Amino acid sequence: DVKVTQSSRYLVKRTGEKVFLECVQDMDHENMFWYRQDPGLGLRLIYFSYDVKMKEKGDIPEGYSVSREKKERFSLILESASTNQTSMYLCASSLGLAGSSYNEQFFGPGTRLTVL
Amino acid sequence: AQTVTQSQPEMSVQEAETVTLSCTYDTSESDYYLFWYKQPPSRQMILVIRQEAYKQQNATENRFSVNFQKAAKSFSLKISDSQLGDAAMYFCAYRSDGSNYKLTFGKGTLLTVNP
Repeated sequence: DVKVTQSSRYLVKRTGEKVFLECVQDMDHENMFWYRQDPGLGLRLIYFSYDVKMKEKGDIPEGYSVSREKKERFSLILESASTNQTSMYLCASSLGLAGSSYNEQFFGPGTRLTVL
Repeated sequence: AQTVTQSQPEMSVQEAETVTLSCTYDTSESDYYLFWYKQPPSRQMILVIRQEAYKQQNATENRFSVNFQKAAKSFSLKISDSQLGDAAMYFCAYRSDGSNYKLTFGKGTLLTVNP
């Protein structure tokens, strides 16, 4: 079974702090994703990576950056946390098969981040 | 840009009954994929069912089936013989063919199952 793990289930940080959220997958997937989930807004893509050291902006990249130094690990960085970044953050991974329905995304358990 | 609309923020069903969750989407593409994901309370999101747009036959997975109406751009999920474990947030999602990454999600439908 694919396993996607996230470093923390719950995190509380102060405004202005630099925050690292880490995600690890164990199935050698090429693609990794970071989403933000807010009530009434569904999931919104922040960034994704299709290979080591490669990244692309999603729909809401402002205030975030990412790092992918190893294939299995994808980090989301909040350079200076703000209260409007309080949210649930979900990581996902998938195979890099363009045009295939079988590269479903597998999700981690999520990190609920509160910025005070 | 593609959009996915789930018009029912909340639904409820009696145990053992059938419920249908609605999803519509907007796209100008002819080839794409549609998904239903389930997110139980405090648990990980998992894929329930998927449908390729080029397939006319509706997908089924045990008690879960879809009604895919391509012309109407509709992709509803039917859950038969509902169980308490079906209680969750359900998300409809769209992905373009040729894109190996971008899923566009609806806002979700919270399903309650009453004993």
